[in-house]
Amino acid sequence: GESVGLHLPTLSVQEGDNSIINCAYSNSASDYFIWYKQESGKGPQFIIDIRSNMDKRQGQRVTVLLNKTVKHLSLQIAATQPGDSAVYFCAERHGNQGGKLIFGQGTELSVKP
Amino acid sequence: GAGVSQSPSNKVTEKGKDVELRCDPISGHTALYWYRQRLGQGLEFLIYFQGNSAPDKSGLPSDRFSAERTGESVSTLTIQRTQQEDSAVYLCASSFWSYNEQFFGPGTRLTVL
Repeated sequence: GESVGLHLPTLSVQEGDNSIINCAYSNSASDYFIWYKQESGKGPQFIIDIRSNMDKRQGQRVTVLLNKTVKHLSLQIAATQPGDSAVYFCAERHGNQGGKLIFGQGTELSVKP
Repeated sequence: GAGVSQSPSNKVTEKGKDVELRCDPISGHTALYWYRQRLGQGLEFLIYFQGNSAPDKSGLPSDRFSAERTGESVSTLTIQRTQQEDSAVYLCASSFWSYNEQFFGPGTRLTVL
């Protein structure tokens, strides 16, 4: 069936380094992708999104890359800070299924001071 | 401004009992979503409302699960005859319209003993 998955369940980085979190998706009909950050005991928080007609989108310290050829999505966090420690999820949406999101497994990012 | 709120924050129940989980979306948001998150996993879509109608109930795991929304506002997710496998965090999200950004509540942690 359709799925969105992550290559790495955990990622540990040094403060100040760049982080890259990866995600694979299987449904070529997906036209919208989102990265969420979830801190312990809280609901997911929107970080950045990208539509399927784009390859790259930048925000504040974050960049999302979309490679539709290999159905791969990545989140890059520049100059990672301790406050970035959380679980990161990618999610996909199909254009004809309302706002329903399909989430990946999640990657836990741990930032060492 | 007020975000999405959910109650209770924690619910412990005995196997076989019924539970009701409540979601208050952001005022003016017409779309409302329920997701389930098992420990260490991503979010699973359950159901979504546009107004008081539910165009997509495809994620409800069994007929023990039901949800309603009234006044284009508050929603209640009901689980009848709870089972231990129902233990999870139940998250609610709302958006201005179906294809807009979803804002998540903090979730209700359900534990079935």
